[in-house]
Amino acid sequence: SQTIHQWPATLVQPVGSPLSLECTVEGTSNPNLYWYRQAAGRGLQLLFYSVGIGQISSEVPQNLSASRPQDRQFILSSKKLLLSDSGFYLCAWSRRITEAFFGQGTRLTVV
Amino acid sequence: ELKVEQNPLFLSMQEGKNYTIYCNYSTTSDRLYWYRQDPGKSLESLFVLLSNGAVKQEGRLMASLDTKARLSTLHITAAVHDLSATYFCAVVTLRDDKIIFGKGTRLHILP
Repeated sequence: SQTIHQWPATLVQPVGSPLSLECTVEGTSNPNLYWYRQAAGRGLQLLFYSVGIGQISSEVPQNLSASRPQDRQFILSSKKLLLSDSGFYLCAWSRRITEAFFGQGTRLTVV
Repeated sequence: ELKVEQNPLFLSMQEGKNYTIYCNYSTTSDRLYWYRQDPGKSLESLFVLLSNGAVKQEGRLMASLDTKARLSTLHITAAVHDLSATYFCAVVTLRDDKIIFGKGTRLHILP
């Protein structure tokens, strides 16, 4: 069966520090991969999505970036975090005939 | 650009009552998903709707899709306290498989 792993679950980082969040999927090949951010009490904002290795689409201009170095690995990065980067980050995967399946999320607090 | 609108955004209701959450979207799509989110948790898939007229039911929840009207509904029958959560609809773009979420409906069921 397919599973998605996302870590860490919680992260506290100072302003200006770098960020790396990793997401991996098991049990499927060539999935679509997504990064979302959810501010407290708000909806899900699509940040990046990828339909294949090295293919990244950015939805919102910001100081975040994403990479897909392997078929089932999706990484969200920042060189210098801002206070406004705080939120709940969710990784998800899907195939054309399925819904999106979500990881457990990373709660990021920038202090 | 695909826009997804849910209403209401907040709903407080008594146990035993029926209610409907609406999800409208702005461009043609062939896939719509409903999710549940409990506080502090990730998203749990509820329904996948893939065709016009699709209806799915699970327990006290029933979802339907009208692709011509670009409308989906999530109907709650005889609500119970355990259904208190935030419910999201999400629509997939035909062209590039982006998954766009509504802002969510926070459902609070009073005992």
